[in-house]
Amino acid sequence: DTAVSQTPKYLVTQMGNDKSIKCEQNLGHDTMYWYKQDSKKFLKIMFSYNNKELIINETVPNRFSPKSPDKAHLNLHINSLELGDSAVYFCASSQDMPDRGLFDEQFFGPGTRLTVL
Amino acid sequence: TQLLEQSPQFLSIQEGENLTVYCNSSSVFSSLQWYRQEPGEGPVLLVTVVTGGEVKKLKRLTFQFGDARKDSSLHITAAQPGDTGLYLCAGPFRGFNKFYFGSGTKLNVKP
Repeated sequence: DTAVSQTPKYLVTQMGNDKSIKCEQNLGHDTMYWYKQDSKKFLKIMFSYNNKELIINETVPNRFSPKSPDKAHLNLHINSLELGDSAVYFCASSQDMPDRGLFDEQFFGPGTRLTVL
Repeated sequence: TQLLEQSPQFLSIQEGENLTVYCNSSSVFSSLQWYRQEPGEGPVLLVTVVTGGEVKKLKRLTFQFGDARKDSSLHITAAQPGDTGLYLCAGPFRGFNKFYFGSGTKLNVKP
């Protein structure tokens, strides 16, 4: 009974292609996130949605577009893939949005390893 | 330069040894969290520290938040192979909408 699930687990594609990664959480949380973890294991936040509204949008190329059809889903679409996009992408969720500097516990999915050839 | 620097970057020790991992910043954080990530999985929250000087214990793990809220440490007593993983500190910076992870400490505990 997976709390935060991502599909696919692995994604291998050619430069220039467009791809999507899907994320679903069954925890009833209001907030969802996308993170990118590079080859050195550095984890960087990309986006965050609260009740389908964008609340965090870090400096990410506009080739990356998140979409939240409902509060249980947050998908990530990437256009014109580049070699540098190769990384592990993690989806996460938390009960509520950040409040006065406090972040709720974030529950992470298993990650999607994207390889751009 | 990263906002949260962790040291050491790598640590390989024998089962039963003690160790300390550090998380340092030149900036003040309203809170800090520690996560552990195992290979092929996402990070899992271990603890959140909020008050300067706060100490929290989780079985053999002791977490401390610096008085000035610029640093934190994780001490493991009598490490076990099950402690192996990537330890990440993380926290919000300059307002609650900016959340950063540290550079990580990869721990390997040999049986």
